[in-house]
Amino acid sequence: KAGVTQTPRYLIKTRGQQVTLSCSPISGHRSVSWYQQTPGQGLQFLFEYFSETQRNKGNFPGRFSGRQFSNSRSEMNVSTLELGDSALYLCASSRNYNSPLHFGNGTRLTVT
Amino acid sequence: DAKTTQPTSMDCAEGRAANLPCNHSTISGNEYVYWYRQIHSQGPQYIIHGLKNNETNEMASLIITEDRKSSTLILPHATLRDTAVYYCIVFNNTGNQFYFGTGTSLTVIP
Repeated sequence: KAGVTQTPRYLIKTRGQQVTLSCSPISGHRSVSWYQQTPGQGLQFLFEYFSETQRNKGNFPGRFSGRQFSNSRSEMNVSTLELGDSALYLCASSRNYNSPLHFGNGTRLTVT
Repeated sequence: DAKTTQPTSMDCAEGRAANLPCNHSTISGNEYVYWYRQIHSQGPQYIIHGLKNNETNEMASLIITEDRKSSTLILPHATLRDTAVYYCIVFNNTGNQFYFGTGTSLTVIP
């Protein structure tokens, strides 16, 4: 069974640009969550989608947004990139509410 | 909003049991305790979870105290591949989000 797939694996952008990251969940999983990981702040929750609806959102500015498609695949977008957005962005999927999360290996974003 | 406290780092001899403690004194009655680990440059890997009773699977055992204020993850026979950061997480089932603390960096020594 294929795991959670995130693309691209690495990304370099400049300040002010925008970026879109992609996540394909495990087959049959309808919930997709996004997390940001930085050395200083650790793993922080961004948002969670279930059946194309955002159910929960973390404490991030509006520059961070996401969406989920009918096939459960998800994308997150960051607009007007800042140097502080450099991080490992992790996507996780789960079968149901209250099921274990299964993480992908992330997209490492570097903003210069 | 971290609800767990873990030691920053631990060492364990290869082949011995690794016992990783976690305090979660403010846990609510319907909140689960989850354990994940993260090896450098990879996403967190699910290990085990529990509510009240002790749990065991092919990877580890989870011991939860009767008052649920603390738990211990046990890796019965640690190998070098178990070197990782281990996160103890209290699951907030009102928002389906996991609060990751700083974790414990476990080093298995040959």
